[in-house]
Amino acid sequence: GQNIDQPTEMTATEGAIVQINCTYQTSGFNGLFWYQQHAGEAPTFLSYNVLDGLEEKGRFSSFLSRSKGYSYLLLKELQMKDSASYLCAVIDATNAGKSTFGDGTTLTVKP
Amino acid sequence: DGGITQSPKYLFRKEGQNVTLSCEQNLNHDAMYWYRQDPGQGLRLIYYSQIVNDFQKGDIAEGYSVSREKKESFPLTVTSAQKNPTAFYLCAGGGFSNQPQHFGDGTRLSIL
Repeated sequence: GQNIDQPTEMTATEGAIVQINCTYQTSGFNGLFWYQQHAGEAPTFLSYNVLDGLEEKGRFSSFLSRSKGYSYLLLKELQMKDSASYLCAVIDATNAGKSTFGDGTTLTVKP
Repeated sequence: DGGITQSPKYLFRKEGQNVTLSCEQNLNHDAMYWYRQDPGQGLRLIYYSQIVNDFQKGDIAEGYSVSREKKESFPLTVTSAQKNPTAFYLCAGGGFSNQPQHFGDGTRLSIL
């Protein structure tokens, strides 16, 4: 089975940097996704990591350490529109390749 | 436009009634999924299908049923056996192995 942990809530200031952590336990790790979900809307894909290291995409970066079962999403130059829930999802090759989602981290960006 | 289309956006269910949520896709995804999301929580998998005419139970399948008669369509029925159906329901396609999932806009189901 899988166990995915994320902080429930975070608050940060516009223009700042915030790091959202995700830890997981899985028997057949085969990749990790980050999604963004604004209130009442569908999740949208942000990033994918399968190898250790940092993947950078504009203001957003995602890091993975497979040996530690750990990932983080780094958001730079925060904007008000970044206020949303951020979902970590882990793919388990022993679970028919499906993704299992964490409960999400609700980020509030304040002026 | 390509995508995952869910309907209706809002749905109300009476006591003892079955209701069906529609999900259609034109992205040619083999895999499709139904999730339930309760306030402040993540996504819980109800059912998934990796190929036409085949589907598997997810973590919370009790009180729900699905069909996959064609690749484009994966409707979800919330039966009267589901005693607490009020939630936000999301349909997704893709997401097998290293593919990200593409989500529909969701259906919000409430009890009358």
